Amino acid sequence: NAGVTQTPKFQVLKTGQSMTLQCAQDMNHEYMSWYRQDPGMGLRLIHYSVGAGITDQGEVPNGYNVSRSTTEDFPLRLLSAAPSQTSVYFCASSYATAKYGYTFGSGTRLTVV
Amino acid sequence: SQQGEEDPQALSIQEGENATMNCSYKTSINNLQWYRQNSGRGLVHLILIRSNEREKHSGRLRVTLDTSKKSSSLLITASRAADTASYFCATAPIMDSNYQLIWGAGTKLIIKP
Repeated sequence: NAGVTQTPKFQVLKTGQSMTLQCAQDMNHEYMSWYRQDPGMGLRLIHYSVGAGITDQGEVPNGYNVSRSTTEDFPLRLLSAAPSQTSVYFCASSYATAKYGYTFGSGTRLTVV
Repeated sequence: SQQGEEDPQALSIQEGENATMNCSYKTSINNLQWYRQNSGRGLVHLILIRSNEREKHSGRLRVTLDTSKKSSSLLITASRAADTASYFCATAPIMDSNYQLIWGAGTKLIIKP
């Protein structure tokens, strides 16, 4: 049982480039979410999904897109990378929203130069 | 927006001592959760305590919840070097129909050998 798998672990982008951060879970969790973590701050929610075909914006959605075509996968797309998007990104899943504990991936450390 | 605020921001104790961290929040909640994050890793779910519960135990961890004071505490007994990590509380506000977790900025715990 792999849990939540994120790829890549590290990435360096140039300003203006686009890329997709991958997230996959094998626990049949309905709820999935993307967070960014910046030094000295708590986690900030980017986008989330309560099931396949359903996505919604979180606290800091600008510059990011998501889709949820299957229960297992929840990719995060950076449309045109900016230095302000330098951060550590975490994908998390749960049986059903925050009524249950979250399982986190190991994170993607992204640097935009 | 931060709902949970951990106190202290940093804590350094000797191995074998007990460590206590506190979390305060602002609005009524469905549950409160504690997570651990080792340096450079993803978050790991420790304990979820529901609003109708006052205390929960898991191994060397004890969590209390006082909804009248809107506060929670995490006690780690007989600390070990491996407990060195950041600890986050997260709350699931009742008013949020999707029950999104709101995160504090964390307490950095250092266990000295």
